[in-house]
Amino acid sequence: EAGVVQSPRYKIIEKKQPVAFWCNPISGHNTLYWYRQNLGQGPELLIRYENEEAVDDSQLPKDRFSAERLKGVDSTLKIQPAELGDSAVYLCASTHSRDRGRHEQFFGPGTRLTVL
Amino acid sequence: AQSVTQPDIHITVSEGASLELRCNYSYGATPYLFWYVQSPGQGLQLLLKYFSGDTLVQGIKGFEAEFKRSQSSFNLRKPSVHWSDAAEYFCAVGPLNTDKLIFGTGTRLQVFP
Repeated sequence: EAGVVQSPRYKIIEKKQPVAFWCNPISGHNTLYWYRQNLGQGPELLIRYENEEAVDDSQLPKDRFSAERLKGVDSTLKIQPAELGDSAVYLCASTHSRDRGRHEQFFGPGTRLTVL
Repeated sequence: AQSVTQPDIHITVSEGASLELRCNYSYGATPYLFWYVQSPGQGLQLLLKYFSGDTLVQGIKGFEAEFKRSQSSFNLRKPSVHWSDAAEYFCAVGPLNTDKLIFGTGTRLQVFP
């Protein structure tokens, strides 16, 4: 079974530039998460999707961050414009939504963003 | 507010020694509890989880964890550490009936030969 796929793995941009991250979850997983992991910290949830619906985006900085999951499978997270403080690892995870909370979240390898 | 505390930022042990990583949580009821491991350049991998029942849970790679309600703790243990266990370890809580995970700040494990 293929795991969660993320691309790119690394991205270096200058501040004020836009950037986008892509995630392909495990087949059949209808719940998808985007997390941000700052250096020396644990992951923090940015947004959670159930199918194509964003059911929890309370932690997403909506002035510059946006996300979409148009067909309920792949997802894209965008930052425009990027700021220095956005440097972090962006993790995507997926799981089943049935039996709520009891299923393991499967994580991708992440995209390491460096903003110069 | 729900929170997870991992008081040890960095732990160093010799290969073959025993290991205990501490985790304390703050939540109104017993949440779902998880330990994840993150190797350099890798995503997080689930080691074990606790939902209910037996308070000592076994996981992969020889790890176990014990839930202690009175101490709001869920400490991770391994009787004999291998060099390949060097990684970052995250404790997480999942509030009941949600799909959320709240992570601690992690403990970096270094293993000396």
